[in-house]
Amino acid sequence: DVKVTQSSRYLVKRTGEKVFLECVQDMDHENMFWYRQDPGLGLRLIYFSYDVKMKEKGDIPEGYSVSREKKERFSLILESASTNQTSMYPCASSLGLAGPPGDTQYFGPGTRLTVL
Amino acid sequence: AQTVTQSQPEMSVQEAETVTLSCTYDTSESDYYLFWYKQPPSRQMILVIRQEAYKQQNATENRFSVNFQKAAKSFSLKISDSQLGDAAMYFCAYRRDSNYKLTFGKGTLLTVNP
Repeated sequence: DVKVTQSSRYLVKRTGEKVFLECVQDMDHENMFWYRQDPGLGLRLIYFSYDVKMKEKGDIPEGYSVSREKKERFSLILESASTNQTSMYPCASSLGLAGPPGDTQYFGPGTRLTVL
Repeated sequence: AQTVTQSQPEMSVQEAETVTLSCTYDTSESDYYLFWYKQPPSRQMILVIRQEAYKQQNATENRFSVNFQKAAKSFSLKISDSQLGDAAMYFCAYRRDSNYKLTFGKGTLLTVNP
């Protein structure tokens, strides 16, 4: 089974801190994704990566950056955390093929970030 | 831009009965994929069922089936013989062909009553 893990389930940070969220997948997937999930808004894509060191902005990239130095690991970085970044952050990965089942996204459990 | 609309923020169903969750989407594309994902409380999202737009036949996975109406841009999920474990947030999602990005609806919270 595909396993996507995230470094923390819950995280509390202070305004202005630099925050790292990490996502690891163990199935040699090409694509990895970072989402933000808020009640009443669903999931919105922040960034995705289709290869090592390759990234593309999603719908809401402002205030975030990403890093993918190794294929299995995709990090989300908040350079200076703000209270409006308090949210749930699920990550996902997919094999990378154009069609099924290679495009199925497998999700991690999410990191609930609170910025005080 | 593609949009996905789930008009029912919450739904409830009695155990063993059938429930249908609605989803509509807006696109000018002819080739695309549609998905229903399930997110149980405090757990990760998992894929329930998918539909390729070029297939006329509605997808089925055990107790889960879809009613795909391409002309109406409608993609509803039917859950038969509802079980307590079906209680979750359900998200409808769209993906354009040759694009990795998923566009999600806002979700429908399904409660299953014993």
